Amino acid sequence: QQQVKQSPQSLIVQKGGISIINCAYENTAFDYFPWYQQFPGKGPALLIAIRPDVSEKKEGRFTISFNKSAKQFSLHIMDSQPGDSATYFCAASYLRTSYDKVIFGPGTSLSVIP
Amino acid sequence: EPEVTQTPSHQVTQMGQEVILRCVPISNHLYFYWYRQILGQKVEFLVSFYNNEISEKSEIFDDQFSVERPDGSNFTLKIRSTKLEDSAMYFCASRRGISEKLFFGSGTQLSVL
Repeated sequence: QQQVKQSPQSLIVQKGGISIINCAYENTAFDYFPWYQQFPGKGPALLIAIRPDVSEKKEGRFTISFNKSAKQFSLHIMDSQPGDSATYFCAASYLRTSYDKVIFGPGTSLSVIP
Repeated sequence: EPEVTQTPSHQVTQMGQEVILRCVPISNHLYFYWYRQILGQKVEFLVSFYNNEISEKSEIFDDQFSVERPDGSNFTLKIRSTKLEDSAMYFCASRRGISEKLFFGSGTQLSVL
């Protein structure tokens, strides 16, 4: 119930294309859904996040779509660039409680080829 | 942007030895965490620490693990008797408030031989 599922495991996209990563969760108590970007040798860095009371959030080329009834959310990277090549983790968390561990999905390795 | 600093970046130890991984969280942050990532796998929560005590720990965080904030700036993870399966990248993270952005350090790669 604490799991966050993520697909695909790896993704290759042409420069300028759209990268789409999908995630699903079971626990309806989750109330915060961040996406993290990780480059080799670095820690995860927050990319964009959404709360379940909105269906979409956009920041630049990055958009989260959220479907509360289906318990699914996805990351869309528009106009993908080689610099976007990294591992992307969707995650879920609880903000209402004093302990707010982040539950990570298994990750998607994105390669954007020129 | 402020950074969470972790030392050392790599640590090699023999099975059964004690290791201490060190972290300097961002200075005005109040919530501290340790996560680990086994090679090629997902990032896993180990422990959260607030107000000088553990607020939550995972099943991984057994009696061999402990955390400490010995002074106003450092946050440490100790593994008393390392096992081969403790080999992983360990990330320290911190945030200022409960709903604020979580910042991760660059990690300590622990190799247990």
